[in-house]
Amino acid sequence: EPEVTQTPSHQVTQMGQEVILRCVPISNHLYFYWYRQILGQKVEFLVSFYNNEISEKSEIFDDQFSVERPDGSNFTLKIRSTKLEDSAMYFCASSEGQPSSGNTIYFGEGSWLTVV
Amino acid sequence: AQSVTQLGSHVSVSEGALVLLRCNYSSSVPPYLFWYVQYPNQGLQLLLKYTSAATLVKGINGFEAEFKKSETSFHLTKPSAHMSDAAEYFCAVSEKGGGNKLTFGTGTQLKVEL
Repeated sequence: EPEVTQTPSHQVTQMGQEVILRCVPISNHLYFYWYRQILGQKVEFLVSFYNNEISEKSEIFDDQFSVERPDGSNFTLKIRSTKLEDSAMYFCASSEGQPSSGNTIYFGEGSWLTVV
Repeated sequence: AQSVTQLGSHVSVSEGALVLLRCNYSSSVPPYLFWYVQYPNQGLQLLLKYTSAATLVKGINGFEAEFKKSETSFHLTKPSAHMSDAAEYFCAVSEKGGGNKLTFGTGTQLKVEL
């Protein structure tokens, strides 16, 4: 069964450092997402990406965050200058169509980011 | 704005007992609703979804959920719990025509005891 894959599974970084989290969405999907889950809290939407541009973003997704689809398969999340409060599990996801039309979003296993 | 409320952050049942995990939604129009499960150290896996085709939805692993518009609910049930069902369960909502995101509830941790 096709799946969303993410790397790394776990990364520890120093505060202020840049981090890039990588994802390979399901190949025929057109919509790509990043969500995050701070330990003990709910899963929160960060950003959605369609047709090579951001289609929606939350207030969490400020100027220190950026996303990119550098080639036909990868989808990345960059955090420019990490803060302690960025420590969380980051989930990449993809879907064929919009969830607002009933399409399923498929999630990867997550990248656990620890900022020290 | 759409939202979901999951009553009970922790639910404990005996093996073989009924599982009932509650989810209520708040939306201006009946939305699309999803249940995801997260096993320890794993990602989110879709259990089932409601897309207005049928109010009783069957999912994987013997779970089902019933959409009740009058109660704005989408509770998840399983007739007989198994030890392998121990996980965290998330209800999520997407508003029809409302963009690209899912809004998640706070989750319910299910514990299954012998």
